[in-house]
Amino acid sequence: DQQVKQNSPSLSVQEGRISILNCDYTNSMFDYFLWYKKYPAEGPTFLISISSIKDKNEDGRFTVFLNKSAKHLSLHIVPSQPGDSAVYFCAARLRTSYDKVIFGPGTSLSVIP
Amino acid sequence: NAGVMQNPRHLVRRRGQEARLRCSPMKGHSHVYWYRQLPEEGLKFMVYLQKENIIDESGMPKERFSAEFPKEGPSILRIQQVVRGDSAAYFCASSRTGTFLSGNTIYFGEGSWLTVV
Repeated sequence: DQQVKQNSPSLSVQEGRISILNCDYTNSMFDYFLWYKKYPAEGPTFLISISSIKDKNEDGRFTVFLNKSAKHLSLHIVPSQPGDSAVYFCAARLRTSYDKVIFGPGTSLSVIP
Repeated sequence: NAGVMQNPRHLVRRRGQEARLRCSPMKGHSHVYWYRQLPEEGLKFMVYLQKENIIDESGMPKERFSAEFPKEGPSILRIQQVVRGDSAAYFCASSRTGTFLSGNTIYFGEGSWLTVV
């Protein structure tokens, strides 16, 4: 039962263009969403997050959009750079007795120079 | 990633042997999470521990896997009688409070790659 889905395993984008990574979730109890970036042979690093009470959060070249009614969020990277080539994980927080973070399967982004 | 130390980075075990993966959280962090990444898959939650307590082990296989986070020393993920399907990257993460006030309160280590031959 995959509660966080990233239906595109991979994405290729030209340098300078926009990269759009999508994420869907099924559990309406998620209240916070995060994006992590991972390079090969390294651990994931936090990129950007958004609370469920917002619909947009922007940090430099990275913007996350949340559509609660559709249970959908997306990460926009503008402009894309070759150094952005990595696997991007969408994650969602579930508040139980503690904050449980559930990750999606990831999307591998390749930015072509 | 700074501060969360995992070792070994790479571990090769024969089927039936034991694997022990260690995680030292960031200084001041008393909450540890273990995730597993199988080939071509995402990060799967395994277990969440606080010092001397297992809070949530719902993601741990029922047999052969155990985790601890003693009062002193690193957190240990132990896999007994390893099988080929245990080959994966195991990531440890830590946080100060266990509550994500913002996304950057959980920090991951660089992972331990287990290969079972």
